[in-house]
Amino acid sequence: AQSVTQLGSHVSVSEGALVLLRCNYSSSVPPYLFWYVQYPNQGLQLLLKYTSAATLVKGINGFEAEFKKSETSFHLTKPSAHMSDAAEYFCAVNGYTSGTYTYIFGTGTRLKVLA
Amino acid sequence: GAVVSQHPSRVICKSGTSVKIECRSLDFQATTMFWYRQFPKQSLMLMATSNEGSKATYEQGVEKDKFLINHASLTLSTLTVTSAHPEDSSFYICSALLGETQYFGPGTRLLVL
Repeated sequence: AQSVTQLGSHVSVSEGALVLLRCNYSSSVPPYLFWYVQYPNQGLQLLLKYTSAATLVKGINGFEAEFKKSETSFHLTKPSAHMSDAAEYFCAVNGYTSGTYTYIFGTGTRLKVLA
Repeated sequence: GAVVSQHPSRVICKSGTSVKIECRSLDFQATTMFWYRQFPKQSLMLMATSNEGSKATYEQGVEKDKFLINHASLTLSTLTVTSAHPEDSSFYICSALLGETQYFGPGTRLLVL
């Protein structure tokens, strides 16, 4: 069975500071992992994904994540936070049920960027 | 690429009426689409998996007769909330599957008075 844990429901950083959002997963099979961002009253936008290729994945808006199998982690980072990064971030791991890919979502992390 | 639209973005209806929400994959074909519900400040709750040409698969606790799903083409899935009540007010989000990745629509805010 697959599961995802996002440590920290709220994270605050100063503008220009490093962003680190944590995601740990559990999977009985090699996982596919995803990070999505959600702005208020909007759908989810794909930031990046890991699908068993390079372990360091670069995404949009300057975000990147590193897949670490030994730590079962897929933390999201950005070197320098911008005010526009304030949003809700969701980590997800794929499951495969009855011939269909489904997602197991984390509970989300709300990122606040301080001026 | 991989754009998903939803219509309407916002709907207000009276209790007892039915509301249809459309989910379209604009630049790709999607055999599988998903419908989620999101409560304020919470994660997404999967309601059902919609497969083109076949019956939807509903998650436990989701009423099939209340939330009717039709996936009649490879680019369109619809969710109909039948006899809506105030407790059905929520944010509904669809996604379409391309390979192993889900691409999400912008969501529909439903308010039942």
